Amino acid sequence: AQKITQTQPGMFVQEKEAVTLDCTYDTSDQSYGLFWYKQPSSGEMIFLIYQGSYDEQNATEGRYSLNFQKARKSANLVISASQLGDSAMYFCAMRDFNNDMRFGAGTRLTVKP
Amino acid sequence: GAVVSQHPSWVICKSGTSVKIECRSLDFQATTMFWYRQFPKQSLMLMATSNEGSKATYEQGVEKDKFLINHASLTLSTLTVTSAHPEDSSFYICSASFYGSSYNEQFFGPGTRLTVL
Repeated sequence: AQKITQTQPGMFVQEKEAVTLDCTYDTSDQSYGLFWYKQPSSGEMIFLIYQGSYDEQNATEGRYSLNFQKARKSANLVISASQLGDSAMYFCAMRDFNNDMRFGAGTRLTVKP
Repeated sequence: GAVVSQHPSWVICKSGTSVKIECRSLDFQATTMFWYRQFPKQSLMLMATSNEGSKATYEQGVEKDKFLINHASLTLSTLTVTSAHPEDSSFYICSASFYGSSYNEQFFGPGTRLTVL
């Protein structure tokens, strides 16, 4: 069974600094997709970034980048130039071959002014 | 594009009553819809997957007679919590996907907060 691990229950970062949120995964599938979502206190799931298992380049979306290390099965999210509005829960997720999505436990990010 | 709505956004009900939550894809036809449950300070747990016109596939440990899922059309899926009890209080989120989307991604609804008294 697929498993997503986020080892950081909470992280703090100073405004305007960069922060890395860790995510490791376990799968025997060759084809899979990795996602990061942001969930503010309102509860909505906001899609941030996607990395396909066959993508050779690390994905980037504005201030978000994904540090994909396939051999180590890690997909860390890097947020550059943190803003106060970045404070939220962040979930790493993996879509498997059957299109089922499994989520990690999440990391609560707090950006300090 | 790819907007998913849920109704209601929150509901409070008495123990023993049934509650229906609707999930609609507003601007696309969803080949598959998913239902998740999220307890406070926890992650999203997949409850079931449904394809239009066929029976839902439930995850292990989810009671299909308690959580009735109807995927009546390509734009509507409903989750009915039957005989709700306080332990069913949770945040229920649906998502929808369609064949040919960029990353085979799921588009999430805003969620429904259920409180059972």
